[in-house]
Amino acid sequence: GQNIDQPTEMTATEGAIVQINCTYQTSGFNGLFWYQQHAGEAPTFLSYNVLDGLEEKGRFSSFLSRSKGYSYLLLKELQMKDSASYLCAVKQGSSNTGKLIFGQGTTLQVKP
Amino acid sequence: GAVVSQHPSWVICKSGTSVKIECRSLDFQATTMFWYRQFPKQSLMLMATSNEGSKATYEQGVEKDKFLINHASLTLSTLTVTSAHPEDSSFYICSGTGTSGRANLPYEQYFGPGTRLTVT
Repeated sequence: GQNIDQPTEMTATEGAIVQINCTYQTSGFNGLFWYQQHAGEAPTFLSYNVLDGLEEKGRFSSFLSRSKGYSYLLLKELQMKDSASYLCAVKQGSSNTGKLIFGQGTTLQVKP
Repeated sequence: GAVVSQHPSWVICKSGTSVKIECRSLDFQATTMFWYRQFPKQSLMLMATSNEGSKATYEQGVEKDKFLINHASLTLSTLTVTSAHPEDSSFYICSGTGTSGRANLPYEQYFGPGTRLTVT
């Protein structure tokens, strides 16, 4: 079967660093995505990893280990506006037509 | 990035009626479109995948006769919820992939803003 796990909730302090983990067991793996979603809005793309290693993009970084079925999203210099849900999603199948399987999402609350 | 629109953004309908939601790719040709449903405090659940000109492929547990999907052109897909019931109340989100126009990343799904459906 397919399974994607991430913590349900996390709390962090403004200015700090937070790491959101995601473990997965899926067939036909073709990349892992991280999305940010504010309540009542559509997800917005944060990162994409298809090879092992770390991808850095400003305050956000994402890591992938395919052999371990593990990824994390690292958020640095947290801001209040980073309070949102963070969704880990695995792509199954081809790049263009393959589907995304989403984890349950991690609700991050940033406190002053 | 590429832009996908959805219409309407929210709709309230009575139980037993049908509702149509439109999903349009504004600046690229969406060869594949996806429809998701999201219940409160839950993640996105894929309902179906549709390729232009072909019948949609539905995920297990999704009734194809209840959720009618049409992808007649490269810029438009529609989801019709037939005989809607209160349990169909949800946030419906579409996304598209393509390699034309502003969709320059073949692996990325471009999401619409979502449609909030409330069935009374």
